[in-house]
Amino acid sequence: GAGVSQTPSNKVTEKGKYVELRCDPISGHTALYWYRQSLGQGPEFLIYFQGTGAADDSGLPNDRFFAVRPEGSVSTLKIQRTERGDSAVYLCASSLNPPPNTGELFFGEGSRLTVL
Amino acid sequence: SQQGEEDPQALSIQEGENATMNCSYKTSINNLQWYRQNSGRGLVHLILIRSNEREKHSGRLRVTLDTSKKSSSLLITASRAADTASYFCATDYGNNRLAFGKGNQVVVIP
Repeated sequence: GAGVSQTPSNKVTEKGKYVELRCDPISGHTALYWYRQSLGQGPEFLIYFQGTGAADDSGLPNDRFFAVRPEGSVSTLKIQRTERGDSAVYLCASSLNPPPNTGELFFGEGSRLTVL
Repeated sequence: SQQGEEDPQALSIQEGENATMNCSYKTSINNLQWYRQNSGRGLVHLILIRSNEREKHSGRLRVTLDTSKKSSSLLITASRAADTASYFCATDYGNNRLAFGKGNQVVVIP
């Protein structure tokens, strides 16, 4: 597709449930990022993939969060045992220019997660 | 101004006026970027300025970078109602990510 695609756009779940959020980056972009944005805040880094491997997962808040990118394209962010504090917009971005000189990031529209 | 620890700023201006917002950062950077976000969804890249550049223009946007003060400013000239959005600066510290500020909310009144 022309841009970064994220599904679902909205997800409402109950506390304790498991959630998967999907990101389809721009074709050919090897760098893929997940960010989380709470209301009134800037995006907060979660994880960075270069190709298939998680090059930096230091932003994941705890072991309930996990992300994969098995074929170096589509990525899935997985959240186990969701908590109300996980409610946020989860943003995915891809880039042609990976670190250490990070270039322009192309963002998807985000997945808004609400945990009741 | 934006910084990791500062509260987001709000700016309300009349259409046709200029809007200026500032961003400060902590340590040496590779580059600094500005993004725009409408309605709390996806961010759109506006402009990138490298650490060895001092000023850059793109259409009605002008970005400056002062590495001695560790600060940047974004100027939007002749603002339009469509410029109403949140504006974020993001710094590349060379550590596998862009670090975003908390944003400046700009409202342009027609």
